Amino acid sequence: EPEVTQTPSHQVTQMGQEVILRCVPISNHLYFYWYRQILGQKVEFLVSFYNNEISEKSEIFDDQFSVERPDGSNFTLKIRSTKLEDSAMYFCASSEAVRSYNEQFFGPGTRLTVL
Amino acid sequence: AQRVTQPEKLLSVFKGAPVELKCNYSYSGSPELFWYVQYSRQRLQLLLRHISRESIKGFTADLNKGETSFHLKKPFAQEEDSAMYYCAPPGFSGGYNKLIFGAGTRLAVHP
Repeated sequence: EPEVTQTPSHQVTQMGQEVILRCVPISNHLYFYWYRQILGQKVEFLVSFYNNEISEKSEIFDDQFSVERPDGSNFTLKIRSTKLEDSAMYFCASSEAVRSYNEQFFGPGTRLTVL
Repeated sequence: AQRVTQPEKLLSVFKGAPVELKCNYSYSGSPELFWYVQYSRQRLQLLLRHISRESIKGFTADLNKGETSFHLKKPFAQEEDSAMYYCAPPGFSGGYNKLIFGAGTRLAVHP
């Protein structure tokens, strides 16, 4: 069964450094998402992406964040200058369509630790 | 703004006991609601959705529009049901582009 994959599984970085988190969505899916979960808190929506552009973003997704689909398979989340508070699990998800009942399929997550 | 509330952080039961994980939502319009589950060291995955009216792994959830609730129930809990459970409606903002997760309830089923 196809799955969303994410790399790396764990990323450790110094504050102020740039990080790129990578995701490979399910191949026939058209809608892509990033969520994050700070330790002990709820899963929060960051951004959704369709047709090579952002369709919606949350207030968390400020100018330090960007997303890209550089080729036909990868979907990346870049944080330009990491802060301590960016430490979290980052989940990528994809869906076939965007109707209200469509399931989103999640990747295993990347744990980002900012020192 | 849409909101979802899961009032219990932890629900601890013994094997064979009934389980009810609570979820309340605030919504305008006709809601679609999901329950996602995360087993230990596994990814978030869909457990069930309101529109399907299905029973998965013995779990059911009934949408009660009067009480604005979508509680998850199982008559006899099993140890393998131990996991984090998240109630999640899709967000309205000109499209169903995101899931809004509740805080989650950790279900611990003891032998």
